[in-house]
Amino acid sequence: DTGVSQDPRHKITKRGQNVTFRCDPISEHNRLYWYRQTLGQGPEFLTYFQNEAQLEKSRLLSDRFSAERPKGSFSTLEIQRTEQGDSAMYLCASSYGGKSTDTQYFGPGTRLTVL
Amino acid sequence: QKEVEQNSGPLSVPEGAIASLNCTYSDRGSQSFFWYRQYSGKSPELIMSIYSNGDKEDGRFTAQLNKASQYVSLLIRDSQPSDSATYLCAVIRGSTLGRLYFGRGTQLTVWP
Repeated sequence: DTGVSQDPRHKITKRGQNVTFRCDPISEHNRLYWYRQTLGQGPEFLTYFQNEAQLEKSRLLSDRFSAERPKGSFSTLEIQRTEQGDSAMYLCASSYGGKSTDTQYFGPGTRLTVL
Repeated sequence: QKEVEQNSGPLSVPEGAIASLNCTYSDRGSQSFFWYRQYSGKSPELIMSIYSNGDKEDGRFTAQLNKASQYVSLLIRDSQPSDSATYLCAVIRGSTLGRLYFGRGTQLTVWP
């Protein structure tokens, strides 16, 4: 399988706990994006990387959220001190080239439930 | 005003009919436009991309772009029950290369 992969696929946690998600992009893609999607809404942009550089962060990304892509390959998204409002599907996407016409391909997502 | 607006539907059509999905966007400098299909509980799957005014056809799908009206649409011909899903319109603005702005999606049901 050469698509975008995410792990875990589902995560249930208690409020206040920390969680970390991993995304492995398509191998030749240099751009990696994180989005969050809640029920009935379209995905909302969180952040993106070109290689290992984090180029943009949304205002949605509070200081409890941190993302890394240390070697320009896989990325991790960590949420500290989770809140019930963090319950959502966290989607990772990747693309190649950095042009405005780049097509982003999505992974299967990680569904987070905060109790 | 939201960046991308879609009729939330739901839209219901009989099998074999044409389904028409519409999307408007607010940033006149937007450059790239995408339609994604999302089945319940799954992640978005790319159907079509379009970058210049006019029509673009791919099998049963036709995307239409009118930059003057800031309007993009998706037509699905010979709709099948397997087309039942939520269709997301997404836009890359001219000033923010990379990030996609999504609409809320239109839920389509194709009944046999």
